[in-house]
Amino acid sequence: AQSVAQPEDQVNVAEGNPLTVKCTYSVSGNPYLFWYVQYPNRGLQFLLKYITGDNLVKGSYGFEAEFNKSQTSFHLKKPSALVSDSALYFCAVRDFNTGFQKLVFGTGTRLLVSP
Amino acid sequence: GAVVSQHPSRVICKSGTSVKIECRSLDFQATTMFWYRQFPKQSLMLMATSNEGSKATYEQGVEKDKFLINHASLTLSTLTVTSAHPEDSSFYICSARARREGNTEAFFGQGTRLTVV
Repeated sequence: AQSVAQPEDQVNVAEGNPLTVKCTYSVSGNPYLFWYVQYPNRGLQFLLKYITGDNLVKGSYGFEAEFNKSQTSFHLKKPSALVSDSALYFCAVRDFNTGFQKLVFGTGTRLLVSP
Repeated sequence: GAVVSQHPSRVICKSGTSVKIECRSLDFQATTMFWYRQFPKQSLMLMATSNEGSKATYEQGVEKDKFLINHASLTLSTLTVTSAHPEDSSFYICSARARREGNTEAFFGQGTRLTVV
């Protein structure tokens, strides 16, 4: 089964410092990977995706993610964190084993950026 | 980006009543819509997938008679929680995938917080 793992429940970083939110995947075949962000009492907002091509994917709000096939990772990064980046982040993989190609989500990582 | 509107954003209902949640794709046609449930501090749990004009496909353990899903058009899907009980209180989120070729991301609604008293 397709799955993603987010090993950290929470990541703390000071404003202005670089941030990394980790995600590893386990899939059969080529992975289609996504990052979403969720603010309190809101739905998920799409940040970026990796389908094919360059391993470094750039997304919304200055975020980027690096696809690493050898390490089966897709870590989310940002060079300089903002307090407003504090939110819940979800990594996801598309499951092609189902007819609807549903998304399978990780458990989420809470990012706290301190002023 | 594409917009998915979910309504209501918050609802409180009495135990035993039914609640309907709407999910609309505002600027695209969605052949597939997904309904999720999210418990506090937990990830999203897929409840069911609906295709326009056909019956929804429910995930294992989700009662289809309790969570009625209707996908009547390419822009609207509804989730009805029937005979709601306090344990149904949760955050419900829908998402929609656009009807076009290629591998498109899913767009999410704002979510609905249901409280059953």
